Amino acid sequence: EVQLLESGGGLVQPGGSLRLSCAASGLTFSSYAMNWVRQAPGKGLEWVSSISDSGGIRYYADSVKGRFTISRDNSKNTLYLQMNSLRAEDSAVYYCAKEFYDLLTGYHNYFMDVWGKGTTVTVS
Amino acid sequence: SYVLTQPPSVSVAPGKTARITCGGSNIGVKSVHWYQQRPGQAPVLVIYDDSDRPSGIPERFSGSNSGNTATLTISRVEAGDEADFYCQVWDSTSDHRIFGGGTKLIV
Repeated sequence: EVQLLESGGGLVQPGGSLRLSCAASGLTFSSYAMNWVRQAPGKGLEWVSSISDSGGIRYYADSVKGRFTISRDNSKNTLYLQMNSLRAEDSAVYYCAKEFYDLLTGYHNYFMDVWGKGTTVTVS
Repeated sequence: SYVLTQPPSVSVAPGKTARITCGGSNIGVKSVHWYQQRPGQAPVLVIYDDSDRPSGIPERFSGSNSGNTATLTISRVEAGDEADFYCQVWDSTSDHRIFGGGTKLIV
C-alpha cells in the first residue's frame, strides 16, 4: 500500500522558516512526480509546488515563488518543502500528493492519486 | 492564469442525483479530475481524465466534460457522500496544477 506521511509542521513567527518533509513508502518513489498542496482554514485546496521524478524540474504557485523551495531525496524516499519568509496567509494544512504515472504503459497525467494526511503550519 | 469556477454548494435529497459543475474557458479540451474531501480528511481522487473512476470508487460517481463546463454526477446520493468536491486541471501554459474553489455537497 502506498503511504505518504508529512511532518515538520508547527507554529512559526512571521518572517520565519520551516521545512516540511513527506516520507513515502510502498512505491518506487523515484518514478513519480510529487506535489505540495495546501488548504487554509475553512478554504479550498491550493496547489503550491511540483517536482519531477528526478528533481530536475520544479514549478511553483505565484503566491510562494521565491520564498518556497521544493526538493526530494530519492535515496531516502522523501519529499521536502523549505518555506522561508513565512506570512500569516501561509497558515494551512500542507498535503503532499503523488502524481499519477503508469509504470507499465508510461502514461502520465497531472492529477494526484495518493495523498498524505497533511501537516499543519501556523504562522503567527 | 487559468481559472476554474464551481458553485459554493449543491443540495440534493438522498436517493436523487447530484450534479456539480466546473466552469473554465474551453475546459472541454483539457483533462478534468475530481476530488472528494470529507471533513477533517485528506482529499480522495474520485474521477480522473474527465470520466474515469479509480478502483474502489462506486459506479454512482461519473463525469463528463464539454465546451466550457465539466460535470461531476453522483447518482443515488447517500448521506455518506456529503463532502467538499474539487475539480482540477493542468494549465499547459504555466505547468501549474489548478483547483476549482470547491463545492460543498449537502445531502
